Amino acid sequence: NAGVTQTPKFRILKIGQSMTLQCTQDMNHNYMYWYRQDPGMGLKLIYYSVGAGITDKGEVPNGYNVSRSTTEDFPLRLELAAPSQTSVYFCASSSIQGVGNSPLHFGNGTRLTVT
Amino acid sequence: KNQVEQSPQSLIILEGKNCTLQCNYTVSPFSNLRWYKQDTGRGPVSLTIMTFSENTKSNGRYTATLDADTKQSSLHITASQLSDSASYICVVSAGDSNYQLIWGAGTKLIIKP
Repeated sequence: NAGVTQTPKFRILKIGQSMTLQCTQDMNHNYMYWYRQDPGMGLKLIYYSVGAGITDKGEVPNGYNVSRSTTEDFPLRLELAAPSQTSVYFCASSSIQGVGNSPLHFGNGTRLTVT
Repeated sequence: KNQVEQSPQSLIILEGKNCTLQCNYTVSPFSNLRWYKQDTGRGPVSLTIMTFSENTKSNGRYTATLDADTKQSSLHITASQLSDSASYICVVSAGDSNYQLIWGAGTKLIIKP
């Protein structure tokens, strides 16, 4: 199984440009998440989804949008890119929402630079 | 404010040696504590998940401990290998859902031959 796949691996954007970070998972997980990781900081949750058609904001949603039309796909849209959005973006999924053995499965990230 | 603090920030040890990484948290309510391993350029991978009632959990050469009274956890790595070079991240759940996770900044571990 491929698990969680993210594309592209790297991207450079100019200020004001837009782009979509792609994320797909083949584990039939209902729950999916977008995080950003900045140097020296813990991961921050941007958006999450508990199933197709349902999304909600995380801790740092400003400047981003998501959609979840299928169980497999959870793209993250950046509109009007700003230098503050320079970061590494991780998509993750999990099989159940609750406590116990519910680890997150991560993709390998998209490294985004906005100049 | 919910916080997870890890120490040391970085650590270098020789191959074959043991090491212990620390995690202190101030998270309420507490649901569970997780350790993840993140190789350079890769996403984090789950090592252990411990609930309030568990004070020790092992995964091969990795042993995590949890003291819910002092709000401290440690990750002990035995007989280190070069492949253990990675960042180790402590994560505390502030509720029953995976969208309530508080992430530490990680400890960067380097194993030298």
